[in-house]
Amino acid sequence: AQSVSQHNHHVILSEAASLELGCNYSYGGTVNLFWYVQYPGQHLQLLLKYFSGDPLVKGIKGFEAEFIKSKFSFNLRKPSVQWSDTAEYFCAVTNSGYSTLTFGKGTMLLVSP
Amino acid sequence: EAGVAQSPRYKIIEKRQSVAFWCNPISGHATLYWYQQILGQGPKLLIQFQNNGVVDDSQLPKDRFSAERLKGVDSTLKIQPAKLEDSAVYLCASSTRDSGNTIYFGEGSWLTVV
Repeated sequence: AQSVSQHNHHVILSEAASLELGCNYSYGGTVNLFWYVQYPGQHLQLLLKYFSGDPLVKGIKGFEAEFIKSKFSFNLRKPSVQWSDTAEYFCAVTNSGYSTLTFGKGTMLLVSP
Repeated sequence: EAGVAQSPRYKIIEKRQSVAFWCNPISGHATLYWYQQILGQGPKLLIQFQNNGVVDDSQLPKDRFSAERLKGVDSTLKIQPAKLEDSAVYLCASSTRDSGNTIYFGEGSWLTVV
């Protein structure tokens, strides 16, 4: 069965710090990769996704992620975080052509003003 | 475009009682999912429907959980009897090939079993 590993359960940063959240998956075939964000009290929202093409994917709110196939990784980055980025971030993977998502356990990001 | 609608948003029940959650997916989305998200964990798929047929229910505890999507649109998830460990957020989601199979989530139904 496929699994998704997120390296950090909690991350605390100050505003303007750079962010990188790690995500590794186990499936060796063709995958579709996603990062979802869940702001306090809100539903899961798609931040960005990778299906094919340029492995550097840009999403909303200045986030980007890089797919490195050789490392089975899809790390999320943002050069300068804001207080409003405080949220829980979930990496998710699906086998190409089969749309069921497998989620990581999530990383809670707290940005202090 | 309206999102995925779920109700009720919050429910508190005693163990051994029953509860039902309702979901209305985004219009035109053929695939509907129910996920369970326990505090501190990522969402876990319970069941996936394609129109009114079940695609994957391998992680659904069938002795107490049931779900249906009779007309291929709305869906209901039922738990009977509930256990303390069923306390979680139950997320409904939907997708369609036209949206690149991107899955869109509802706000969730928060269940507390006491």
